[in-house]
Amino acid sequence: NAGVTQTPKFQVLKTGQSMTLQCAQDMNHNSMYWYRQDPGMGLRLIYYSASEGTTDKGEVPNGYNVSRLNKREFSLRLESAAPSQTSVYFCASRLGESSYNEQFFGPGTRLTVL
Amino acid sequence: SQQGEEDPQALSIQEGENATMNCSYKTSINNLQWYRQNSGRGLVHLILIRSNEREKHSGRLRVTLDTSKKSSSLLITASRAADTASYFCALYNQGGKLIFGQGTELSVKP
Repeated sequence: NAGVTQTPKFQVLKTGQSMTLQCAQDMNHNSMYWYRQDPGMGLRLIYYSASEGTTDKGEVPNGYNVSRLNKREFSLRLESAAPSQTSVYFCASRLGESSYNEQFFGPGTRLTVL
Repeated sequence: SQQGEEDPQALSIQEGENATMNCSYKTSINNLQWYRQNSGRGLVHLILIRSNEREKHSGRLRVTLDTSKKSSSLLITASRAADTASYFCALYNQGGKLIFGQGTELSVKP
């Protein structure tokens, strides 16, 4: 099993460009998450999908959109990138919304917006 | 704040020594989790301790939880250079989402 995979690993954008970060999991998990990690800020939840067909905002959703394409895939889109979105983005999944389920993380996408 | 606050922010020790990291929080919890992040990698789940547990062990890891003080500690015994990483505590907010603290950066020198 590959676990949680993310593409691309690195990306450089110019301000105003758009891009989609891809995430897939092969563990048959129901819940999927997008976080961003900035120095000194820990991980902050951007959006999540508790189950296929549903998505909800997290702590810092502005400037992002998501799509839960199917049970395996959960993408994050930046419509008009801004320098403030320079960050490392992590996708995660867990079996379900039970608070006793651990989360599994992808390797991250390092995004720089110039 | 609903997230955990780790202390210290950074810790540097010699191989073979023990490393202790602390996490304080403000809300009531069902459980508290600890994760490790190696440089340039995603987070990896280490251990979950339930609110009715006081101590839990996993290999060289020992986690304690004191709900009266709203604090938890992670002890790594006989540390190795490979333990060099950032360690995060995480707990669930009222919306049921896992929220992470800012982490403790551990450096184990050979």
